[in-house]
Amino acid sequence: AQKITQTQPGMFVQEKEAVTLDCTYDTSDPSYGLFWYKQPSSGEMIFLIYQGSYDQQNATEGRYSLNFQKARKSANLVISASQLGDSAMYFCAMREGPILTGGGNKLTFGTGTQLKVEL
Amino acid sequence: EAQVTQNPRYLITVTGKKLTVTCSQNMNHEYMSWYRQDPGLGLRQIYYSMNVEVTDKGDVPEGYKVSRKEKRNFPLILESPSPNQTSLYFCASSHPARGDTQYFGPGTRLTVL
Repeated sequence: AQKITQTQPGMFVQEKEAVTLDCTYDTSDPSYGLFWYKQPSSGEMIFLIYQGSYDQQNATEGRYSLNFQKARKSANLVISASQLGDSAMYFCAMREGPILTGGGNKLTFGTGTQLKVEL
Repeated sequence: EAQVTQNPRYLITVTGKKLTVTCSQNMNHEYMSWYRQDPGLGLRQIYYSMNVEVTDKGDVPEGYKVSRKEKRNFPLILESPSPNQTSLYFCASSHPARGDTQYFGPGTRLTVL
C-alpha cells in the first residue's frame, strides 16, 4: 500500500483564491511527521511546512497552513490568496517513527500535485 | 547563508564513464541523504549517512556508491553509469530540530547516453 497518496495530479486555481492540496498517509507508528515541499519549474525542492503527529494545533507558515486530521490520516496543504509564483509541483512527505537523536529518519514522498495559478 | 550545494548542476555523460556528484552543507548537520527523482515516482532515497564514516543503503542503492569522510561533504559516485540512471538527483541534510526537516540542494540533472 502507498504510504503517501496525493490523488490530484494537477489543479488549477485563480489568483487570490485559496486552494487545498490533498494528502493522505498510512502508518501504524504513533510518532511521525508530515512535510510539504514545493518544486518550481527551476527544479529545487523548497520546504514549506511541518506537522508532528503529537502537535495539538495545525501548523501555519505565512500563507501556508496544514489541515491535519489525524483520525482520517490526512494532511492537506492550504494555500491562501494564491499568487502566480505559487505555480509549481507540491509534494507531501512523511517521516515514520520518532526523531532520532542525530536526525535522519527517512522521508517517504508522494507523487506530487502540479498546481497552476491563473489570472 | 545556510545551504546545501551540489555540483555539477547539469551533466551529460556516456555509459560506463565514472562520475562523482558533490554535495556540501554548511549547517553542521549530522544526517545527509541522496535522492533521485523520476517522473511519476516521486523522490526515492538512494543512500544516507548518519554521521562521518556511517552510511547505509536507501531504497534504490544499486549502481551507486557514497562516502562520508567529512561532516560537511557527502559525494555520490556512479562507477559505471547506465542510461537508467538518467534522473534528477538531490542531496539533503537535516537536523533533529523542527521535526528533522530535510533541506535540499538545488539538484543535479544527469543524462547518461
